[in-house]
Amino acid sequence: GESVGLHLPTLSVQEGDNSIINCAYSNSASDYFIWYKQESGKGPQFIIDIRSNMDKRQGQRVTVLLNKTVKHLSLQIAATQPGDSAVYFCAENLDTGFQKLVFGTGTRLLVSP
Amino acid sequence: EAQVTQNPRYLITVTGKKLTVTCSQNMNHEYMSWYRQDPGLGLRQIYYSMNVEVTDKGDVPEGYKVSRKEKRNFPLILESPSPNQTSLYFCASSYLPSTDTQYFGPGTRLTVL
Repeated sequence: GESVGLHLPTLSVQEGDNSIINCAYSNSASDYFIWYKQESGKGPQFIIDIRSNMDKRQGQRVTVLLNKTVKHLSLQIAATQPGDSAVYFCAENLDTGFQKLVFGTGTRLLVSP
Repeated sequence: EAQVTQNPRYLITVTGKKLTVTCSQNMNHEYMSWYRQDPGLGLRQIYYSMNVEVTDKGDVPEGYKVSRKEKRNFPLILESPSPNQTSLYFCASSYLPSTDTQYFGPGTRLTVL
């Protein structure tokens, strides 16, 4: 498969554990944040998003937390499964009137059976 | 099926030989964008288009051209490829003007010798 990063931070967990992936964003004026999942050989896939007027949003097995005070975003995955193994990116939308995403470099999640 | 398609998926070429990577979306999205992905650098935007005949430079446009003659297609053109353009390229699309999710294509792995 394609390598998206040779020296990515890596989080290794056991199947069934909860995973927390962190992201620091750069611009305090960013108004929209997205988490993407990228599996080997594929393009980034949308997981969940959150707008700056919220501090928490839940999806199916995933929760995103936003702390604007310290410009920090986290993705929590409940009951992590081997199929969750991938590289996870956060992206922030700079408030330029249209979508201008700035992506983080990503975290590799490895889930052991 | 809603999707973004890219062709070719893999390409090996030589310095100076013009090439085009095609991108097509079937979701009637107005906004389309090209990114390159390099180890340790994350996704960086090359060019974007807000609608037909409206294109603009992203963060790393040097050495690339684009066109948007039809809403669904957004080809990336390398007039004279160089080895530093060896990378993994992604096309993406989304609705405008809202901050909506960008949908990514499967990627094109380009190697310039």
